[in-house]
Amino acid sequence: AAGVIQSPRHLIKEKRETATLKCYPIPRHDTVYWYQQGPGQDPQFLISFYEKMQSDKGSIPDRFSAQQFSDYHSELNMSSLELGDSALYFCASSLGGRPTDTQYFGPGTRLTVL
Amino acid sequence: ELKVEQNPLFLSMQEGKNYTIYCNYSTTSDRLYWYRQDPGKSLESLFVLLSNGAVKQEGRLMASLDTKARLSTLHITAAVHDLSATYFCAVVSSGTYKYIFGTGTRLKVLA
Repeated sequence: AAGVIQSPRHLIKEKRETATLKCYPIPRHDTVYWYQQGPGQDPQFLISFYEKMQSDKGSIPDRFSAQQFSDYHSELNMSSLELGDSALYFCASSLGGRPTDTQYFGPGTRLTVL
Repeated sequence: ELKVEQNPLFLSMQEGKNYTIYCNYSTTSDRLYWYRQDPGKSLESLFVLLSNGAVKQEGRLMASLDTKARLSTLHITAAVHDLSATYFCAVVSSGTYKYIFGTGTRLKVLA
């Protein structure tokens, strides 16, 4: 079965650069979630989208923005990168738009900021 | 604000032994999830617990939910090395899309 696809899988950036992470949900899934997991930390909810509209917002820095496109894929844009942004970024998708729908996680993008 | 706490944070156990991981949360929640994460890997869904008294079992793992006590347990029976991983519980803050994760329990099963 098709799973959530994230690209790139690994990304190395310098401080103050920008990065764009992409997430392709499971086909027909209409809801996308983004999480950040620092080294040895638990995942932190960043932002979610349902039917291309932002459905909720967590601890996402103002330097980050995200959107969901008409084909339901989502992009997380990160600007003015800081060393502390180095983390594993997960995308998850679900079907139905309800916060209680089961999420399916992608493999993650490992971002390293030097 | 919903807070989720797990204990223990670290657990080292011998193969064949039983143990329980606890997950406490601070406010009402719609569902509780258990995930497994191997080092450097993504999250794998283990269980979804929907209602008070729910119990689910898969292999050597059994999860239960007590919504009145705001407590979920993940019980490990006759542990084997392959169960070594970090286990997270997560709850959905009622009325939101925010999945709040617990601190994780790093389990190491010694041969």
